[in-house]
Amino acid sequence: DGGITQSPKYLFRKEGQNVTLSCEQNLNHDAMYWYRQDPGQGLRLIYYSQIVNDFQKGDIAEGYSVSREKKESFPLTVTSAQKNPTAFYLCASSRGTGGNTIYFGEGSWLTVV
Amino acid sequence: QKEVEQDPGPLSVPEGAIVSLNCTYSNSAFQYFMWYRQYSRKGPELLMYTYSSGNKEDGRFTAQVDKSSKYISLFIRDSQPSDSATYLCAMSSVRGLIFGTGTLLAVQP
Repeated sequence: DGGITQSPKYLFRKEGQNVTLSCEQNLNHDAMYWYRQDPGQGLRLIYYSQIVNDFQKGDIAEGYSVSREKKESFPLTVTSAQKNPTAFYLCASSRGTGGNTIYFGEGSWLTVV
Repeated sequence: QKEVEQDPGPLSVPEGAIVSLNCTYSNSAFQYFMWYRQYSRKGPELLMYTYSSGNKEDGRFTAQVDKSSKYISLFIRDSQPSDSATYLCAMSSVRGLIFGTGTLLAVQP
């Protein structure tokens, strides 16, 4: 089945630790995105990538890092510099940016303990 | 001012009611408008996609765009308990989509 796979679904992290969230897509999409969702704030863009080996900061990139070494993969690292990392993280992809439809994965829940 | 404003609700209606969900936006350059439905603890799924002003109908759902007023709406006819979810409006930009905060809808049986 074509789609976007995020893992892990649930993750607990101790303060001060980095954690990497995986995102893989088999839709042959060029563009990939990471959003963060908090109650009452909707989805906020962390990073996006329009093509392999290139990515851009979104609205809330501080404390996060990404890489795009392969077309199908766009992992997100939540670093210890992120002050409030507990949230629901959503990976998405689209054929291109602009008016193209964005498709989402099932999300990853990160809790800092 | 946020680029996209959406009433967070919650909105509670009886089964069979007509539901109206709305968003306003400030950037007149937006041309593509979408509605996503998100069930609890799931990723959003695309519900409706419209381009520029006008109406689009798909089954019980109608999406309406009024670019002159910078206002978009989603209407749900004959609402069902299975429609209970958060509904997110979204508008396209060169960086991907700009989302509203989402409206939580509960349809009571």
